[in-house]
Amino acid sequence: DAKTTQPPSMDCAEGRAANLPCNHSTISGNEYVYWYRQIHSQGPQYIIHGLKNNETNEMASLIITEDRKSSTLILPHATLRDTAVYYCIVRPRDDKIIFGKGTRLHILP
Amino acid sequence: DAGVIQSPRHEVTEMGQEVTLRCKPISGHDYLFWYRQTMMRGLELLIYFNNNVPIDDSGMPEDRFSAKMPNASFSTLKIQPSEPRDSAVYFCASSSWGNNYGYTFGSGTRLTVV
Repeated sequence: DAKTTQPPSMDCAEGRAANLPCNHSTISGNEYVYWYRQIHSQGPQYIIHGLKNNETNEMASLIITEDRKSSTLILPHATLRDTAVYYCIVRPRDDKIIFGKGTRLHILP
Repeated sequence: DAGVIQSPRHEVTEMGQEVTLRCKPISGHDYLFWYRQTMMRGLELLIYFNNNVPIDDSGMPEDRFSAKMPNASFSTLKIQPSEPRDSAVYFCASSSWGNNYGYTFGSGTRLTVV
């Protein structure tokens, strides 16, 4: 798997947009960018994925740079329930997922 | 859909005992994964199956660990004999080819070996 680099932790005020960065400078052409999160004591939860284009769903938006070497996950209106560890993963679609350390996001009231 | 179901939720056992963790994947999913999570090592992939066949068991730590998937709706992860360093949360996940929603994880089994 291509390596990803994420900040170990971030803070965000409740109601604001949370922007979580991820660097994946060695990503290959057939590798997707996936985001998962893990709320305390729960299993990881799929958020969103993309290949080249920006993607949006009911949970978040994913912005991938044109050279695909980095991406940003955006939670548009963060709530306390968004406090979690967020994992950025790059891999060919349907390949196994290897989790890194992720970013611990704290939503501040 | 009830999601991925794991049992038991918590297991406390004595060192040397056999432990069996169970997983029921989502119906129709043809991939099943076993992960282990500890504070020190994070989330580690132990083994995964495709259509009930083990595809990659390179993450299984040692011969004390074994996993089976006798049918599409059931998998077990067995540790025999168990050791205190096996204490962790074990997650099962399932997915299907071309699934747009990634993996679905169960709630995990918290194993404590004393």
